[in-house]
Amino acid sequence: QVLLVESGGGLVQAGGSLRLSCVASGFTFSAYGMHWVRQAPGKGLEWVAYIRSDGSGELYGGSVKGRFSISRDKAKNTVYLQMSSLRPEDTALYYCAKEWGFYLDSWGQGALVTVSP
Amino acid sequence: QSVLTQPPSVSGAPGQRVTISCTGTSSNTESRYDVHWYQHLPGTAPKALIYGNTNRPSGVPDRFSGSRSGTSASLAITGLQAEDEGDYYCQSYDSSLSGFVFGTGTKVTVL
Repeated sequence: QVLLVESGGGLVQAGGSLRLSCVASGFTFSAYGMHWVRQAPGKGLEWVAYIRSDGSGELYGGSVKGRFSISRDKAKNTVYLQMSSLRPEDTALYYCAKEWGFYLDSWGQGALVTVSP
Repeated sequence: QSVLTQPPSVSGAPGQRVTISCTGTSSNTESRYDVHWYQHLPGTAPKALIYGNTNRPSGVPDRFSGSRSGTSASLAITGLQAEDEGDYYCQSYDSSLSGFVFGTGTKVTVL
């Protein structure tokens, strides 16, 4: 079955950087687009970033554009989210998710990122 | 700020039917892009509930159903159960934003 495991979360000061990883298994990783979605404390889901199956294109949400970068490594079955210039409002649980037909059909358990002022 | 608007909360007694609306704009829900629904129960990862406006993934009970009309979509839960209590989100793609969007979310409470 599909398994997505996020890692790399933690506590970072405002202005700092952090890289999240998501290791995928149970499906042909190179055939599917991948997303990052976040949920801030007490808030709803917010879409963060998307990368095409072959890594040839990326999309970003307005609040992270220019600060976050999504990438993937086919050999490691891993998708990454490089986060820079972090702000306290980036504090959230970050989920990676597999895409199928413009919808997110499988989700990981999430990685917690806390940005201190 | 989400471009897909949902009611903040809905509630119903066990066995009743509740519906959740998702209202968008011409650049998302009225376009060629489908609407999808997710269930997010406390302490768990979000789960796909409805895809392509009306389709249920394998394993999702037929108590859950989706519909779409114009710039709006709806999720219906019939035979409401205690384990349905949680948050529900719609999602689509927005061509004007060139990105994916989630609805504002709806909390379902079973009385």
